[in-house]
Amino acid sequence: GAVVSQHPSWVICKSGTSVKIECRSLDFQATTMFWYRQFPKQSLMLMATSNEGSKATYEQGVEKDKFLINHASLTLSTLTVTSAHPEDSSFYICSASRSPSSYNSPLHFGNGTRLTVT
Amino acid sequence: GQQVMQIPQYQHVQEGEDFTTYCNSSTTLSNIQWYKQRPGGHPVFLIQLVKSGEVKKQKRLTFQFGEAKKNSSLHITATQTTDVGTYFCAGPYGGSQGNLIFGKGTKLSVKP
Repeated sequence: GAVVSQHPSWVICKSGTSVKIECRSLDFQATTMFWYRQFPKQSLMLMATSNEGSKATYEQGVEKDKFLINHASLTLSTLTVTSAHPEDSSFYICSASRSPSSYNSPLHFGNGTRLTVT
Repeated sequence: GQQVMQIPQYQHVQEGEDFTTYCNSSTTLSNIQWYKQRPGGHPVFLIQLVKSGEVKKQKRLTFQFGEAKKNSSLHITATQTTDVGTYFCAGPYGGSQGNLIFGKGTKLSVKP
């Protein structure tokens, strides 16, 4: 159990366009979903936390108007990178938790989305 | 701010050798989690440690939580090529109930 599906796996887009990434928990209801960004050979940086039906909580330094998060249901969260620029190129990974916070509950990660902005 | 530091950053071993990665926090942690990320893959949860001095084993993997709950280690006995990947530790931000912050990971390569 605890399968998280992320789509697309990779995307190439032109500078200035927007890209939407979907994260779905397939076999459980995710109270909370987390969006991470991972640079090459680096760790996972938490971007934002989203709860179903409420506004996402963004980490310091993450532009909420650029990285739009919508958590429409207990099984779906989306991240939209608006007006993408080459510096937004990265590996974006979502994770889902049955708990409101990740501190005491295992995180189940999606397969990630490799975004390349040209 | 709070940091979760992990060493070494890279480790290259011959198949059959042991491997250990260490994780240190600047604050006391309520728990610590370990994840493994295979090349090109996503992190997969391995284990969570909660108690001071706790030791847990998963086959050839031994996880330990320090007495002061500020450090942890993962030890792999007799590595195999299937152990290749990056191992991350993660602890709650603020030490207690904050969201997880991840260490930079230790990338393990195993030479057959």
